Amino acid sequence: GAGVSQTPSNKVTEKGKYVELRCDPISGHTALYWYRQSLGQGPEFLIYFQGTGAADDSGLPNDRFFAVRPEGSVSTLKIQRTERGDSAVYLCASSLASRAGRTDTQYFGPGTRLTVL
Amino acid sequence: GQQVMQIPQYQHVQEGEDFTTYCNSSTTLSNIQWYKQRPGGHPVFLIQLVKSGEVKKQKRLTFQFGEAKKNSSLHITATQTTDVGTYFCAGPGGGGSNYKLTFGKGTLLTVNP
Repeated sequence: GAGVSQTPSNKVTEKGKYVELRCDPISGHTALYWYRQSLGQGPEFLIYFQGTGAADDSGLPNDRFFAVRPEGSVSTLKIQRTERGDSAVYLCASSLASRAGRTDTQYFGPGTRLTVL
Repeated sequence: GQQVMQIPQYQHVQEGEDFTTYCNSSTTLSNIQWYKQRPGGHPVFLIQLVKSGEVKKQKRLTFQFGEAKKNSSLHITATQTTDVGTYFCAGPGGGGSNYKLTFGKGTLLTVNP
């Protein structure tokens, strides 16, 4: 079946602009995660959704970052007033569910490479 | 907060040589996961280890979880050029969550044919 998809694959923007990054999880996966990966680093957790609600947004670096998942499927990561330091690959992952006592396998999408000039 | 460290950061081998990467967590983990990321690609799940002292094999790959559940290793026997990529370990944690993965910085493996 189809994996996690993310659009756009690349986004170049200017400092101060607003951007939206989209994630389409695997069908039937109720848990969705956003990570950010800088060059030479591992993915860094940003936010986790269980269904429609953001169950944990503790990884969002500041209030310029916001994410939604209004219908419990597609999610959008929104970044306001972008800064050069926001340049990174933004990865989305999904899993069947997040169950107590278990860590379900997270399947990653191809990512969106964001470049802020 | 929780930290996951991996060594080495880079490893270059000749095809056919073995390769090992080591992972250490600052806290005890309920499980540890390994991912592989090809150059230009995204992390792909390899395996999850749950039990203390657990050893799992996938063809030429051997994964171990330490007795104290704070360290892990991945060993590749007789590397091939298809093994090229960055290998990450990741552990859940941070406030008792099972879902929030903390990744190490990864070990970049290059293989000379």
